[in-house]
Amino acid sequence: QKEVEQDPGPLSVPEGAIVSLNCTYSNSAFQYFMWYRQYSRKGPELLMYTYSSGNKEDGRFTAQVDKSSKYISLFIRDSQPSDSATYLCAMSDNNAGNMLTFGGGTRLMVKP
Amino acid sequence: GEEVAQTPKHLVRGEGQKAKLYCAPIKGHSYVFWYQQVLKNEFKFLISFQNENVFDETGMPKERFSAKCLPNSPCSLEIQATKLEDSAVYFCASSRNPYGYTFGSGTRLTVV
Repeated sequence: QKEVEQDPGPLSVPEGAIVSLNCTYSNSAFQYFMWYRQYSRKGPELLMYTYSSGNKEDGRFTAQVDKSSKYISLFIRDSQPSDSATYLCAMSDNNAGNMLTFGGGTRLMVKP
Repeated sequence: GEEVAQTPKHLVRGEGQKAKLYCAPIKGHSYVFWYQQVLKNEFKFLISFQNENVFDETGMPKERFSAKCLPNSPCSLEIQATKLEDSAVYFCASSRNPYGYTFGSGTRLTVV
């Protein structure tokens, strides 16, 4: 079993829909939880990060972490065709030099 | 600059040939990471550096892979005697904290 599990999708939604993306993990040492967006043939771009449990909002994006359930979510409100990409969750412990552990990514398609 | 610069963008090598990839991290970022992305979205950690020192090399196939980060030079990842299974996109990232990883655009290596 992988340390971080993420549904690969694809997830297809109409423009304007609320999108929910999720990851589960098994390592209790993870403290930082990140969401990256990756367009085709590009590098991952950091969208948001959350430290420990709780919620964080940035514009149309909301990240949630539930450490007791080892479950994290990213919500996208008023989704746009430009949001179509692969979304990767990633996690790390408290040490700056330690590697990120990625989920496998969810491919999102927002249809006009 | 505020981007991680990776060169070349594409690299084609015959099986058994050497491949060398370069990465210029963001100035002020003391950590550099190399990841291999295969099978669409699977990110595999290879190695990390703290300045010019190896921080974590647990992901490196040491028989054929080597990496360096020397002062005043781009970091490099070298693969001796490439194999077909080395075909992947290699991403470099840099950071100065546990959550602020910035990725480059990647080098696509094709071994034929």
